[in-house]
Amino acid sequence: DQQVKQNSPSLSVQEGRISILNCDYTNSMFDYFLWYKKYPAEGPTFLISISSIKDKNEDGRFTVFLNKSAKHLSLHIVPSQPGDSAVYFCAASAGGSQGNLIFGKGTKLSVKP
Amino acid sequence: EAGVAQSPRYKIIEKRQSVAFWCNPISGHATLYWYQQILGQGPKLLIQFQNNGVVDDSQLPKDRFSAERLKGVDSTLKIQPAKLEDSAVYLCASSLSSSYNEQFFGPGTRLTVL
Repeated sequence: DQQVKQNSPSLSVQEGRISILNCDYTNSMFDYFLWYKKYPAEGPTFLISISSIKDKNEDGRFTVFLNKSAKHLSLHIVPSQPGDSAVYFCAASAGGSQGNLIFGKGTKLSVKP
Repeated sequence: EAGVAQSPRYKIIEKRQSVAFWCNPISGHATLYWYQQILGQGPKLLIQFQNNGVVDDSQLPKDRFSAERLKGVDSTLKIQPAKLEDSAVYLCASSLSSSYNEQFFGPGTRLTVL
């Protein structure tokens, strides 16, 4: 029973364009969401987070949008750069910032020069 | 600031053997997590420590897995005996406290069970 779903295993984008990574969840108790980026042979690194009381959070080139009614969130990267090529994991918790994280399977982003 | 350290980086063992992984979290981080990441999946929490106490081990297969954090700093995760399905990357992460969910991950230990 997958509570956090990333239905696109991979995404390819041209440098300079927008990358949109999607994540769906089933547990209505989730109230805190995070995105992690992972390069090969490294551990995931925290990218950006959003609380369920917000619908948007922005940090530089990265913006996360949350649609609670659709149980859907997305990560926008604008403009995309070759260094953004990595696997992106969506994660959610049901205890605010204190809950344990449930991760999706990840989406591999390739940004082509 | 030094990151989360893990060793070994790679380990190959035969089924029914034992193996242990070591993790040293970021200095001052009270909360430590062990995750299992099977190929093609996201990380799955095995156990969470707050200082040297266990907060959540509900997903730890306790018949074969054990973990300890005796002095509230570094931690070891042991598998005894290993099964083929234990082949995965074992990630250690730490955070300032359990109320700070931006976890910092180590590079992981890739375990192959033959």
